[in-house]
Amino acid sequence: EVQLVESGGGLVKPGGSLRLSCAASGFTFSSYSMNWVRQAPGKGLEWVSSISSSSSYIYYADSVKGRFTISRDNAKNSLYLQMNSLRAEDTAVYYCARERIQQRGAFDIWGQGTMVTVSS
Amino acid sequence: EIVMTQSPATLSVSPGERATLSCRASQSVSSNLAWYQQKPGQAPRLLIYGASTRATGIPARFSGSGSGTEFTLTISSLQSEDFAVYYCQQYNNWPPGGTFGQGTKVEIK
Repeated sequence: EVQLVESGGGLVKPGGSLRLSCAASGFTFSSYSMNWVRQAPGKGLEWVSSISSSSSYIYYADSVKGRFTISRDNAKNSLYLQMNSLRAEDTAVYYCARERIQQRGAFDIWGQGTMVTVSS
Repeated sequence: EIVMTQSPATLSVSPGERATLSCRASQSVSSNLAWYQQKPGQAPRLLIYGASTRATGIPARFSGSGSGTEFTLTISSLQSEDFAVYYCQQYNNWPPGGTFGQGTKVEIK
């Protein structure tokens, strides 16, 4: 079964750090670009970051640039998001999502999400 | 940034009826548009990509149409499991990230 499972969310104070992980299974992880997408409570979806299959290309939304770092370990079938200098507005459910190989930019597999709460 | 606008915000439909959801882009996105379904407490699920191609395992009652700036998702005969929030997403200028609409909630009438 194709699956993505996120972990690492929790409660953190403003200015703090958190590292999210996403474990992939059931497909050839190293062949796919991967992404993080977030959803603030009661709000819509916001793309956060993207990393190509070999980590050669990395992109960030302006809202997180300079604070978040995406990475991956293809040997461990894992995706990561290091989040520093967290703000209240970063509070959201964070999803990892697989990007289609054709029709790049469409996300065909999503994890169940992990909640990040930034509050004092 | 390309802005995606969905209408209506809420659509009240009876089971078995047709639902038509709209998505408008602030500039042309060609056919680089996807639709997602999200139920409460669940992750989004890809329904349509390339404006009109159903994703794997998606029932035929879901269809997408349009190109350029105007797009439509049609659910031909609503089933109980179809009541959810639907998002459109453009990825014309990918990479980097595409943008999502604000969502349309399909509720039971």
